[in-house]
Amino acid sequence: DAGVTQSPTHLIKTRGQQVTLRCSPKSGHDTVSWYQQALGQGPQFIFQYYEEEERQRGNFPDRFSGHQFPNYSSELNVNALLLGDSALYLCASSLKQAIYEQYFGPGTRLTVT
Amino acid sequence: AQKVTQAQTEISVVEKEDVTLDCVYETRDTTYYLFWYKQPPSGELVFLIRRNSFDEQNEISGRYSWNFQKSTSSFNFTITASQVVDSAVYFCALSEFNNAGNMLTFGGGTRLMVKP
Repeated sequence: DAGVTQSPTHLIKTRGQQVTLRCSPKSGHDTVSWYQQALGQGPQFIFQYYEEEERQRGNFPDRFSGHQFPNYSSELNVNALLLGDSALYLCASSLKQAIYEQYFGPGTRLTVT
Repeated sequence: AQKVTQAQTEISVVEKEDVTLDCVYETRDTTYYLFWYKQPPSGELVFLIRRNSFDEQNEISGRYSWNFQKSTSSFNFTITASQVVDSAVYFCALSEFNNAGNMLTFGGGTRLMVKP
């Protein structure tokens, strides 16, 4: 049973560029959440997708956007990258009806130079 | 607004010592869930436990135990007879019951180093 997978593992981008991160949820899960974890800090909630719609959003600017596909996989897009966007981006999946059990992927390490 | 505080940023113990990781939370909701996650150097968050606000019973799982006290808004985590493999960053998290979603609010984490 495959767990949550994320791609790519690492990414280096230049300030001002755009980036897309990808997440495939655990088999059978229909809800995907994204978190940003800066170095030495706890993860911060970006947003959550269910039934291809953004259901809840944290305190992040509109430069952060997402999408969920019919197969429940998800993308996180960040435009106009800033140095402060450098972080580990974690994806978590769950079942809507058991939404409190969230399973995390290994993350994508984004470095903005 | 909800908030989770882990006052201990780093703890160092010698193998076989017991260690307690503190977690204090703030929420206006009467229904909420509390979690502990472990983050080894690989970076993936590993789920350890979930408790709801109506269940204050302490829980034990092997060498791990959790003490939930609503009166002090605390949800502390104890590792008995620590092992080198327990070395990791541990996060406490809170989720309020919300039909719109279930965002997790994490504390800043406690880095535990267990020395042989």
